[in-house]
Amino acid sequence: QKEVEQDPGPLSVPEGAIVSLNCTYSNSAFQYFMWYRQYSRKGPELLMYTYSSGNKEDGRFTAQVDKSSKYISLFIRDSQPSDSATYLCAMSRDHDKVIFGPGTSLSVIP
Amino acid sequence: GAGVSQSPRYKVTKRGQDVALRCDPISGHVSLYWYRQALGQGPEFLTYFNYEAQQDKSGLPNDRFSAERPEGSISTLTIQRTEQRDSAMYRCASSLLAGAAEQYFGPGTRLTVT
Repeated sequence: QKEVEQDPGPLSVPEGAIVSLNCTYSNSAFQYFMWYRQYSRKGPELLMYTYSSGNKEDGRFTAQVDKSSKYISLFIRDSQPSDSATYLCAMSRDHDKVIFGPGTSLSVIP
Repeated sequence: GAGVSQSPRYKVTKRGQDVALRCDPISGHVSLYWYRQALGQGPEFLTYFNYEAQQDKSGLPNDRFSAERPEGSISTLTIQRTEQRDSAMYRCASSLLAGAAEQYFGPGTRLTVT
């Protein structure tokens, strides 16, 4: 079993839809949870960063962490074609190495 | 300011040759990370440094891979006696604080071993 699992998609939604992206993980020691966005032929860029359980909102993006279920989510409201990218969840235990999920490919259709 | 830069952007080499990949992190960033990313996969951790000290090299696949950051800034990832299975995108990232999860990625070096 991989440490971090993520549905690879592809996920295709109409413009304006609410998108839900999810990851599960096996290591209960993870405390820091991130979502990165990666456009084609580019490096990943940090979208959201949360510590421990709870919610965090930033504009159209909301990150949720449920440590009891070892489950994290990213919600995108009012999705735009410019949101089309691969979304990578990532996590770490402490100030050490970061483990990435395989990514979910998202297409937002105008 | 300038982001993370990597060179070369593309490298084609013959099997058995050594290659050196360079990463120049964001100025002032304490930590520097190396990842390998296969097509359709997330970055796979290789190693990381705080300043010049290598903190964790558990992700290096075998002893043909090594990395250094002698002055706590620029880093070099060296692959000796390259094999075709080493072909991948190699990415570097840096973070302002030591071991921080908020990392800034470079554009990567696409390595092809023929």
